[in-house]
Amino acid sequence: QQQVKQSPQSLIVQKGGIPIINCAYENTAFDYFPWYQQFPGKGPALLIAIRPDVSEKKEGRFTISFNKSAKQFSLHIMDSQPGDSATYFCAASTSQNTGFQKLVFGTGTRLLVSP
Amino acid sequence: SQTIHQWPATLVQPVGSPLSLECTVEGTSNPNLYWYRQAAGRGLQLLFYSVGIGQISSEVPQNLSASRPQDRQFILSSKKLLLSDSGFYLCAWSVKVTYEQYFGPGTRLTVT
Repeated sequence: QQQVKQSPQSLIVQKGGIPIINCAYENTAFDYFPWYQQFPGKGPALLIAIRPDVSEKKEGRFTISFNKSAKQFSLHIMDSQPGDSATYFCAASTSQNTGFQKLVFGTGTRLLVSP
Repeated sequence: SQTIHQWPATLVQPVGSPLSLECTVEGTSNPNLYWYRQAAGRGLQLLFYSVGIGQISSEVPQNLSASRPQDRQFILSSKKLLLSDSGFYLCAWSVKVTYEQYFGPGTRLTVT
């Protein structure tokens, strides 16, 4: 119940395409859903995050769509660029009113944007 | 602004040797601190977290330990490394009662 399932494992799109990465969860106590971007040899960087009280959030070319009833959320990258080639991780968390946030991560999606 | 440092960046150690990885955070006080391990091509596994000096919680029983001797310093240690300890170790911090976690640059550990 603590798992976050992420798909696909890898994805290749052409420049300008819209890659979509999907995640699903079971624990209805999760109340925070971030996406991280990781380049090889670097630490993950927080990209965008959403709370379950909204169905969509946009930041620049990155959009999170959230479906609370289906317990699914996805990342869309508009007008993808070769510089977006990286591994993307979804995650979920619940604070449980403790002031401590335990993130549960998906297994990652390796995205390649071809020129 | 806040910054997080990890060192060393890379480390090659023989089996059975000790380990000490250090993480420090600047620009914030009383953060939550986390140690994660990332195996090759896999997701992130939470190893330890700390909500204050001397307060350490372990998520996965293993060959590693953690300590927090100062407010913004988090140390990952081992007395005797195993081959299975190889991986990419990441430190992260967050402000209490917020959700965002921010990761450091990581330490690549290879146990030979």
